[in-house]
Amino acid sequence: EVVLTQSPGTLSLSPGERATLSCRASQIFSSSYLAWYQQKPGQAPRLLIYGASIRATGIPDRFSGSQSGTDFTLTISRLEPDDFAVYYCQLYGSSPLTFGGGTKVEIK
Amino acid sequence: QVQLQESGPGLVKPSQTLSLTCTVSGGSISSGGYYWSWIRQHPGKGLELIGYIYYSGNTYYNPSLKSRVTISVDTSKNQFSLKLSSVTAADTAVYYCARVPEPWGQGTMVTVSS
Repeated sequence: EVVLTQSPGTLSLSPGERATLSCRASQIFSSSYLAWYQQKPGQAPRLLIYGASIRATGIPDRFSGSQSGTDFTLTISRLEPDDFAVYYCQLYGSSPLTFGGGTKVEIK
Repeated sequence: QVQLQESGPGLVKPSQTLSLTCTVSGGSISSGGYYWSWIRQHPGKGLELIGYIYYSGNTYYNPSLKSRVTISVDTSKNQFSLKLSSVTAADTAVYYCARVPEPWGQGTMVTVSS
């Protein structure tokens, strides 16, 4: 079973600061892809990044994703008030689909 | 564009079967390469994959729920469905359908209570 570990659990930052979120996979396969989602209270998750580094339609370029081996990173270059939310990573493209436990980005 | 919408009872009695349907619009559920998924979220918690059905018909179920879950597709109605049997209060959650990685449905709250 593939496990995705997100860190930190909570990130306390101020608007304008840079946020770096980590997602580590216990293993990946050649057909594995990683997605990042943003979720706000009462809303469905919103796709930000797919294929580890491709921004979804309409996502601002302050959001970027990268991969190094089994380590994935979501970077928000300059936090805006609307960015304070919970972020999840998900592996897909190979069985089984797996979610990370989430990182909450809160206002400091 | 493709849109998904969950439907089904918002209240289910303990020991009964939870049944939800996801209606797909703007595209065919038979188109290849997608994981038609059910995901749930307990109040204040993270996302939990319940299972999915691949366009080929293959299914995968979360091992912790496998004995109680069935996911099926009705291509004639462009829908896929979830059945979760023998529910308890621990199954109270928001249930989402999704074509991973997108789009997702808006989610539907299901409460298990007598």
